[in-house]
Amino acid sequence: DQQVKQNSPSLSVQEGRISILNCDYTNSMFDYFLWYKKYPAEGPTFLISISSIKDKNEDGRFTVFLNKSAKHLSLHIVPSQPGDSAVYFCAASENTGNQFYFGTGTSLTVIP
Amino acid sequence: DVKVTQSSRYLVKRTGEKVFLECVQDMDHENMFWYRQDPGLGLRLIYFSYDVKMKEKGDIPEGYSVSREKKERFSLILESASTNQTSMYLCASSFQNYGYTFGSGTRLTVV
Repeated sequence: DQQVKQNSPSLSVQEGRISILNCDYTNSMFDYFLWYKKYPAEGPTFLISISSIKDKNEDGRFTVFLNKSAKHLSLHIVPSQPGDSAVYFCAASENTGNQFYFGTGTSLTVIP
Repeated sequence: DVKVTQSSRYLVKRTGEKVFLECVQDMDHENMFWYRQDPGLGLRLIYFSYDVKMKEKGDIPEGYSVSREKKERFSLILESASTNQTSMYLCASSFQNYGYTFGSGTRLTVV
């Protein structure tokens, strides 16, 4: 059973606008969350993380929001750029665990 | 920077062949993982290892085996390749739960 879900397989956004990618999880023991970005024919690269003691983490154009009560996190990209076009995966783990559980990914296209 | 190296970027193999995918990391990470990525299915865990000579099945281990004889190397073996194993294979390593570092991936085509 998928413990981490990304319900939007794809998203198109105009350059300069905000991109919002969503992720839901079912396991209440998850307390550390990551976003990865993946270009075709390359491995995923780490983008941004958040732990459950926070509800927001910001890094430049990228902000991740965590709503623990709703078991929901989102990644905001502002402003979106064509180079942001990639597949984005969210991942979650328990503090005592070593394994991350991944969502199915959202393919973002930023239109120039 | 941690580097995870996968030996091949692209491979083409015939049905029934035994296939070895090699992965080496250079930062003394205990944990290593093998995933495959398929459109619409995301990253699915095949096998993982928390220590030398240790292995655990992931979500889709059927048709695969692994070997970890040294800490830095984690090999994925397709015992008898089939066309449904055509996929992008990703190796990753981690220290505790600080997140994964992935290799560049191996695009395997089984014909």
